[in-house]
Amino acid sequence: DAKTTQPNSMESNEEEPVHLPCNHSTISGTDYIHWYRQLPSQGPEYVIHGLTSNVNNRMASLAIAEDRKSSTLILHRATLRDAAVYYCIRGGSQGNLIFGKGTKLSVKP
Amino acid sequence: NAGVMQNPRHLVRRRGQEARLRCSPMKGHSHVYWYRQLPEEGLKFMVYLQKENIIDESGMPKERFSAEFPKEGPSILRIQQVVRGDSAAYFCASSPLPGGLSTEAFFGQGTRLTVV
Repeated sequence: DAKTTQPNSMESNEEEPVHLPCNHSTISGTDYIHWYRQLPSQGPEYVIHGLTSNVNNRMASLAIAEDRKSSTLILHRATLRDAAVYYCIRGGSQGNLIFGKGTKLSVKP
Repeated sequence: NAGVMQNPRHLVRRRGQEARLRCSPMKGHSHVYWYRQLPEEGLKFMVYLQKENIIDESGMPKERFSAEFPKEGPSILRIQQVVRGDSAAYFCASSPLPGGLSTEAFFGQGTRLTVV
């Protein structure tokens, strides 16, 4: 059980920002929120993770709600190479990563 | 530092044969995870190992599947007496700490198993 909820698919235009939402209403205080993405025919790739504070890295930003029941992955300027399935994952207490169905992001030129 | 290496990349087996999938984690990583992905579906967790120990095998089928991560050498996912339904992409990931905690996991490119 992934215990996260994401839209099945989203569309974006190239060079525009993309906000990918994720609900994790049953998250516990010590569960990290991870985002991975999977490009076609490739293995998943780490994007970002966080616990309570918003996080930024070279790929994206992660905005975590104050109550931690939801988060949003932000791609500041989508490119065609960002077309992928994006997975929002709650890190389990055993240290495992349980993937859900993810959001398939399409980027239009 | 090479990434997670999986081999072979493609494997074809006849029904009833054995399949051995290998995963060499990144240098310094002692945590290994195996996932299975059917076409057009998400990744399904199979097993989580930490050097010589199975931490969580809740996603492993009860029969025919086994995994190990010996002190020396790669992690091995072994499927005995393969059936057509075992055809899938199998991904391995590694991390220096438990991947669900405050660290990232690195994935290999996968082994695509086809059972004919």
